[in-house]
Amino acid sequence: EAGVAQSPRYKIIEKRQSVAFWCNPISGHATLYWYQQILGQGPKLLIQFQNNGVVDDSQLPKDRFSAERLKGVDSTLKIQPAKLEDSAVYLCATPGGGTGELFFGEGSRLTVL
Amino acid sequence: AQKITQTQPGMFVQEKEAVTLDCTYDTSDPSYGLFWYKQPSSGEMIFLIYQGSYDQQNATEGRYSLNFQKARKSANLVISASQLGDSAMYFCAMREGFLSNYQLIWGAGTKLIIKP
Repeated sequence: EAGVAQSPRYKIIEKRQSVAFWCNPISGHATLYWYQQILGQGPKLLIQFQNNGVVDDSQLPKDRFSAERLKGVDSTLKIQPAKLEDSAVYLCATPGGGTGELFFGEGSRLTVL
Repeated sequence: AQKITQTQPGMFVQEKEAVTLDCTYDTSDPSYGLFWYKQPSSGEMIFLIYQGSYDQQNATEGRYSLNFQKARKSANLVISASQLGDSAMYFCAMREGFLSNYQLIWGAGTKLIIKP
């Protein structure tokens, strides 16, 4: 089990700048999630992919957030332009195991100044 | 209405004592699963234990057990013999419906601090 790799771990930008996060999930998992976790809260689903197609992006602020999953493997999440309220940890996850539990990456912590 | 409720924002527990973290849920779907995750200060979300709605017995994983009371719609996490390394945020989450959906509904979390 190779885990879920995310980068960068930390990013500090000024408001109105852009940022991109990258996720490399466990090999072979068709489903991939991006979550946003604001400090002191539970994760909030931003987007769910099945292979390279979008299953659910109902909570993705599409005026500034975009995500893609080329070839059904790696995925990138982009924010442009960033706002102060985008400061959060962005978690990437894929399912694993027989009970459907999610395996998470270490997350990318974004600070918008 | 909140589907997952964790009523304890924070808890202090003495090392070696047992601790119970509360979780109540709300669903009309007869098929669902309940998960507990641990999130240390490093930020990674770590899966601890799972309980399916049709499981007859309460789930156990090492020092973790799940006190599943279906009629009361509660799924409390019990950590026996707590250790300093158990200090973290703990999240309860629920998956409704079929396994292929995979989407989780999350509680707000409980911050657990183990005192030496």
